[in-house]
Amino acid sequence: QQKVQQSPESLIVPEGGMASLNCTSSDRNVDYFWWYRQHSGKSPKMLMSIFSNGEKEEGRFTVHLNKASLHTSLHIRDSQPSDSALYLCAASKASGSWQLIFGSGTQLTVMP
Amino acid sequence: EAAVTQSPRNKVTVTGGNVTLSCRQTNSHNYMYWYRQDTGHGLRLIHYSYGAGNLQIGDVPDGYKATRTTQEDFFLLLELASPSQTSLYFCAIGGARQDTQYFGPGTRLLVL
Repeated sequence: QQKVQQSPESLIVPEGGMASLNCTSSDRNVDYFWWYRQHSGKSPKMLMSIFSNGEKEEGRFTVHLNKASLHTSLHIRDSQPSDSALYLCAASKASGSWQLIFGSGTQLTVMP
Repeated sequence: EAAVTQSPRNKVTVTGGNVTLSCRQTNSHNYMYWYRQDTGHGLRLIHYSYGAGNLQIGDVPDGYKATRTTQEDFFLLLELASPSQTSLYFCAIGGARQDTQYFGPGTRLLVL
């Protein structure tokens, strides 16, 4: 069973709309969360990271983290066709193994 | 920005064949990782290393060996390739626990 669950599996939004992606860890020992974006045929690239409770905003992208529920969400406002990609959530622990655990991703399509 | 190269970029082999995938970094990040990516599974960690001569087992190690010969070079070996190992393989590098992982361009492997 995937330790990092993402929803929805796929999402279609109109250009200019808001896209909201969700991610929850079933491992209570995780402390750090990342969002990676992977365009078709390319490698994943880190989009945003969040390590503390609350919200972080960078341009059109906002990420939230609730450590009590181990839930993070990514919101993209004013979505553009260039935002169409696979969005991967990853989590890691503050101690022990340094590996990232990835979810299976949300495929976002922004329709012009 | 971190530079990670992988070779070959595409590889076709037959069942039972021997395959070596190469990864090289031009930075001096301690950690290097091998992942495989399959539809519906996101990125799954095969092996990783925190320095020359070190090897750590990931989540899906069966059928794979790895070797870190220098700080820069990390190899993934499939000694008896099987069709189930047909996948997209990514190498990644990283530093301290809260550091971003940077991914190489990927190697697409087909085992017939």
